[in-house]
Amino acid sequence: EPEVTQTPSHQVTQMGQEVILRCVPISNHLYFYWYRQILGQKVEFLVSFYNNEISEKSEIFDDQFSVERPDGSNFTLKIRSTKLEDSAMYFCASSEDRGRVQPQHFGDGTRLSIL
Amino acid sequence: SQQGEEDPQALSIQEGENATMNCSYKTSINNLQWYRQNSGRGLVHLILIRSNEREKHSGRLRVTLDTSKKSSSLLITASRAADTASYFCATFGNEKLTFGTGTRLTIIP
Repeated sequence: EPEVTQTPSHQVTQMGQEVILRCVPISNHLYFYWYRQILGQKVEFLVSFYNNEISEKSEIFDDQFSVERPDGSNFTLKIRSTKLEDSAMYFCASSEDRGRVQPQHFGDGTRLSIL
Repeated sequence: SQQGEEDPQALSIQEGENATMNCSYKTSINNLQWYRQNSGRGLVHLILIRSNEREKHSGRLRVTLDTSKKSSSLLITASRAADTASYFCATFGNEKLTFGTGTRLTIIP
């Protein structure tokens, strides 16, 4: 069964450094998402992306965050200047439609540790 | 309650028993979905129920949705050790999923 893949599985970065998290969504999916989960807390929505633009973003997704689909397969999340509180599990998801009928499929996540 | 918390936050049952988890939400929704998360892993989609549906089955899973009460339940029948995981309900609206805090389910062999 097709799946969403994320790399790396674990990223350790110094505070203030830039980090790029990578995702390969399921190939025929058109809608892409990033979520994060701080240890012991809820999964939180960050951003949704469709047709090469952001369709929705949360308050968490401030100017330090950006997303890009640089080619036909990858979907990336960049954090420009990481903070300690960015430490979390970051999940990429994709879906065939806007989510009204088809579910979102999640990757296994990237654990981001900011030192 | 979800959007929100889930009820209960943790549940331990003997293998073979049924497990029931509940969630409630606050806003109008297009659909409600249930996900499972094994420790340190991603979210696995279990079942989606649309706002105009009241009940849905998938294998050992049964989901109900009561939009008048803004609540849903997930029933896992004949539980197995492999069902040990965290279970989250998530509502879809405004182009995003909103998750609750989840129920940690432990199946005792």
